[in-house]
Amino acid sequence: DIQLTQSPSFLSASVGDRVTITCRASQGISSYLAWYQQKPGKAPKLLIYAASTLQSGVPSRFSGSGSGTEFTLTISSLQPEDFATYYCQQLNSYPFTFGPGTKVDIK
Amino acid sequence: QITLKESGPTLVKPTQTLTLTCTFSGFSLSTSGVGVGWIRQPPGKALEWLALIYWDDDKRYSPSLKSRLTITKDTSKNQVVLTMTNMDPVDTATYYCAHFYGGIRPNPYYFDYWGQGTLVTVSS
Repeated sequence: DIQLTQSPSFLSASVGDRVTITCRASQGISSYLAWYQQKPGKAPKLLIYAASTLQSGVPSRFSGSGSGTEFTLTISSLQPEDFATYYCQQLNSYPFTFGPGTKVDIK
Repeated sequence: QITLKESGPTLVKPTQTLTLTCTFSGFSLSTSGVGVGWIRQPPGKALEWLALIYWDDDKRYSPSLKSRLTITKDTSKNQVVLTMTNMDPVDTATYYCAHFYGGIRPNPYYFDYWGQGTLVTVSS
């Protein structure tokens, strides 16, 4: 199985901050990586697929980059509605594993 | 508009078999590149991918759970069913079904629409 690690696992930030979350894969996954946002009690929401393609309807302050084994999710200016947990998922090979998550909290 | 909804028991006893149904609308599971997957999330923990069924009836399972899982589809009813045998308290989780877009590479792959999830508790 391909293992995904995320860093940090928790971050405290203020509205307006630029936030970067990193996802690393245990082996190369090309660009088969997606990012999801999950709020408490809600289903995950797709933000980015193919490592850098913004899902329709997702604000442009979200961006993704990377390929191979290292990927980043960036929120250019954190908004109150962005406080949530973020997960990466690799879809290069089965099983389609998820990262452990990064919780973004209010400073 | 794509929607999915999970249904099934909220409480099962250890060793019992869990059967969950995902009823969807807004897409056809006979369309090339389309699939429906199951993902679970224990309380306070991360997401775990379980299984995926494709439009052509190809099925994929998490290796760690493969012996316990079966995924099937009924295209005419717009339903996908997941069964998990020999349930244990560690299987307590919210179970989600999700619409999958894939197909022939280099097409991107992703789960773009999710159901609301159903919490299944395993306890005697």
